[in-house]
Amino acid sequence: KAGVTQTPRYLIKTRGQQVTLSCSPISGHRSVSWYQQTPGQGLQFLFEYFSETQRNKGNFPGRFSGRQFSNSRSEMNVSTLELGDSALYLCASRAGQVNTEAFFGQGTRLTVV
Amino acid sequence: GEDVEQSLFLSVREGDSSVINCTYTDSSSTYLYWYKQEPGAGLQLLTYIFSNMDMKQDQRLTVLLNKKDKHLSLRIADTQTGDSAIYFCAEGILTGGGNKLTFGTGTQLKVEL
Repeated sequence: KAGVTQTPRYLIKTRGQQVTLSCSPISGHRSVSWYQQTPGQGLQFLFEYFSETQRNKGNFPGRFSGRQFSNSRSEMNVSTLELGDSALYLCASRAGQVNTEAFFGQGTRLTVV
Repeated sequence: GEDVEQSLFLSVREGDSSVINCTYTDSSSTYLYWYKQEPGAGLQLLTYIFSNMDMKQDQRLTVLLNKKDKHLSLRIADTQTGDSAIYFCAEGILTGGGNKLTFGTGTQLKVEL
């Protein structure tokens, strides 16, 4: 069974641009969460989707948004990129809303220059 | 509020046991997790424990939970060089019809020959 797939693995963008990251969860999993990992702030929760609905949102500005499609694939978008948005963005997949195990993808390394 | 703390570094000799500690503050945690992160990789789920359990053993891994003190530990028996990585504890909190993980700062484990 394939794991969580995130694309692209690496991305370089310029300040002010926008970016879209993609996450395909494990087949059959319906919950997708996104996390940002930086050296300074560590791992921080961005948002969680289940059945195409956002269930939770972390403390990030409105420039960060996401969505989930009917096939459970999820995208997150960051608009008006800032240097501080440089980070590893990780996606986690769960089978259901409250299932115990969250499986992570390899992440997308975003560099803003 | 949610806050998870870990010591930053641990160095052990190959073959010894490693014990990584974690304290958390949110008493509404349902599950507590340990993840491993190797350089350039995503998060690998090692094990988790339900908040009403005291101990869980899984091969070389033993998780101890002291709910009164909000203290979680991960013991790795017979530590190998391949165990060198960053270990994150995380508390899982049910909220908003879903759940989210709050991570600790991570403990870098170095295994020396």
